[in-house]
Amino acid sequence: EVQLVESGGGLVKPGGSLRLSCAASGFTFSSYSMNWVRQAPGKGLEWVSSISSSSSYIYYADSVKGRFTISRDNAKNSLYLQMNSLRAEDTAVYYCARRRGPDYWGQGTLVTVSS
Amino acid sequence: DIVMTQTPLSLSVTPGQPASISCKSSQSLLHSDGKTYLYWYLQKPGQSPQLLIYEVSNRFSGVPDRFSGSGSGTDFTLKISRVEAEDVGVYYCMQSIQPPMYTFGQGTKLEIK
Repeated sequence: EVQLVESGGGLVKPGGSLRLSCAASGFTFSSYSMNWVRQAPGKGLEWVSSISSSSSYIYYADSVKGRFTISRDNAKNSLYLQMNSLRAEDTAVYYCARRRGPDYWGQGTLVTVSS
Repeated sequence: DIVMTQTPLSLSVTPGQPASISCKSSQSLLHSDGKTYLYWYLQKPGQSPQLLIYEVSNRFSGVPDRFSGSGSGTDFTLKISRVEAEDVGVYYCMQSIQPPMYTFGQGTKLEIK
């Protein structure tokens, strides 16, 4: 059974940093591209970042470019999102999701940016 | 950037009746590889999104056959042949022809009458 479990969310002040993790199981993690997608409270879905299976290709939404860094550790079956210079508008539930047309999603982790 | 526009934004349906959601993209989603990268998701209340349909018309594993997708180019439709109470939630279309910038529609909220 494919499982994606996010962690690392929490309350952080504007300008602060946070690192999200996504633990994958039930499939060959190293064979799939991965994504981060977020959802602000009461809003729709917004793609944040993607990384190819071998980390050769990395992409970011314009809204996070230069502030967020996606990475993965295939040996640990884990996906990460380092978030720096956080803003109030980054407040959202962050989901990790597998592959280009995401087929499996985690349960999400809430990031709240507030003073 | 490709803009995805869904209509209607809300839908109230009697159980057993059909429902239909439209999704229009600002550019064709037909890739040179022959695939059309249009997906449909359902986000039930309090849950993560779940994939219903991939590449326009293919039902994902475990998705009931009352869900169907159709369309081509820039115009797509999700149909539910007979709505059930468990189908409530927000439906999203999404394009992934244009990596790295994947975009979602605004969402269509389905309620039961």
